[in-house]
Amino acid sequence: GQNIDQPTEMTATEGAIVQINCTYQTSGFNGLFWYQQHAGEAPTFLSYNVLDGLEEKGRFSSFLSRSKGYSYLLLKELQMKDSASYLCAVRVYNQGGKLIFGQGTELSVKP
Amino acid sequence: DAMVIQNPRYQVTQFGKPVTLSCSQTLNHNVMYWYQQKSSQAPKLLFHYYDKDFNNEADTPDNFQSRRPNTSFCFLDIRSPGLGDAAMYLCATSRLVGANSPLHFGNGTRLTVT
Repeated sequence: GQNIDQPTEMTATEGAIVQINCTYQTSGFNGLFWYQQHAGEAPTFLSYNVLDGLEEKGRFSSFLSRSKGYSYLLLKELQMKDSASYLCAVRVYNQGGKLIFGQGTELSVKP
Repeated sequence: DAMVIQNPRYQVTQFGKPVTLSCSQTLNHNVMYWYQQKSSQAPKLLFHYYDKDFNNEADTPDNFQSRRPNTSFCFLDIRSPGLGDAAMYLCATSRLVGANSPLHFGNGTRLTVT
């Protein structure tokens, strides 16, 4: 079966750094994706990892360890607009490229 | 801008009354997906098309059907909506099915069943 776990909620302060963790157990792993979703809106793509290591994109970085079934999303210089749900999703082989989503981590950024 | 467009943004239907949600894309992507997302839950895949090939998830109820008449358009038909079908319905596209081809989502249609 497929299982993806993320913390339900996190709170952080404007200007700080926050790390959102994701663990997964899947068969046929073919990449891990992070999406941001504001309330009532569609998910927007942030980053993906297919190989181990860190991918950096401006204020956002994502890390993957395939042997540990573990990823994290790092957000730096937090802004109020970063308050949103962050979804971890795994792509698997031979299933039409579909993404299997975790439940999401609701991040609240406080002044 | 190339994008994924869903209409309508909000849809209200009555219990048991068929409803159709639409999705169009200008990205010319091969794959189109329909996800259902209930409040505070993960998006759940209902089905997807790879070109004209339809792929249903094993646990998608028969009440949900889909059509893809051409590359650009895809429809979600709910034949007899129940109260439990109230959700956000998300259409997404992907150029390929490989690891480096992310899904691009439309803005979603929020369905209310009265």
